[in-house]
Amino acid sequence: EVQLVESGGNLVQPGGSLRLSCAASGFTYTNYAMTWVRLTPGKGLKWVSSISGSGERAFYTDSVQGRFTISRDNSRNTLYLQMNSLTADDTAVYYCAKHPHDGDSHFWYFDLWGRGTLVAVSS
Amino acid sequence: EVVLTQSPATLSVSPGERATLSCRASQSVASNLAWYQQKPGQAPRLLISRSSTRATGVPARFSGSGSGTEFTLTISSLQSGDFAVYYCQQYGNWPLTFGGGTKVEIK
Repeated sequence: EVQLVESGGNLVQPGGSLRLSCAASGFTYTNYAMTWVRLTPGKGLKWVSSISGSGERAFYTDSVQGRFTISRDNSRNTLYLQMNSLTADDTAVYYCAKHPHDGDSHFWYFDLWGRGTLVAVSS
Repeated sequence: EVVLTQSPATLSVSPGERATLSCRASQSVASNLAWYQQKPGQAPRLLISRSSTRATGVPARFSGSGSGTEFTLTISSLQSGDFAVYYCQQYGNWPLTFGGGTKVEIK
């Protein structure tokens, strides 16, 4: 079955760290760029970070640049998001999503999403 | 960044009726716009890419149109499974951005 399954969400204190994972199955993972998107009730969906299929190129939204690191292990078909220096503004449901290309394209829409994992930042 | 404004925020429609959802971009994104459907507790699902291309398995009652700054998603005859939140997303410019969503509810 073609699917993405996120994990790692939790309640964490401000200033803390968390690592999210996204396990991919049912497709040739290394051939596709991947992205993390987050959803907050007040702000809607927001693009967080993307990575090319090879993992050589990564992109971040300004608000997480320097705090979050996206990576992937193509041998394990897994995407990661290391989140440091977390603040209340990072509270959200985090989704991983797949693009229909390896990153060498301008069609950066999402053709597959996971169900999300909840990150809550609070003392 | 490109701001996408979706309207209305909530649309109340009876089953069998037509629903028209709007997405307006703050600057031109050409045809680089996608639409997604999300039901509670489920993953978002791609409906439309490149403004008007239906994704695999998406029923023909879903259609997209527009280019530049004005886009429309039309559901020709609402079925019970279509009541959900719909988001537009542009990929014409970085950063990738989404609209705030339109909730389609049963009237």
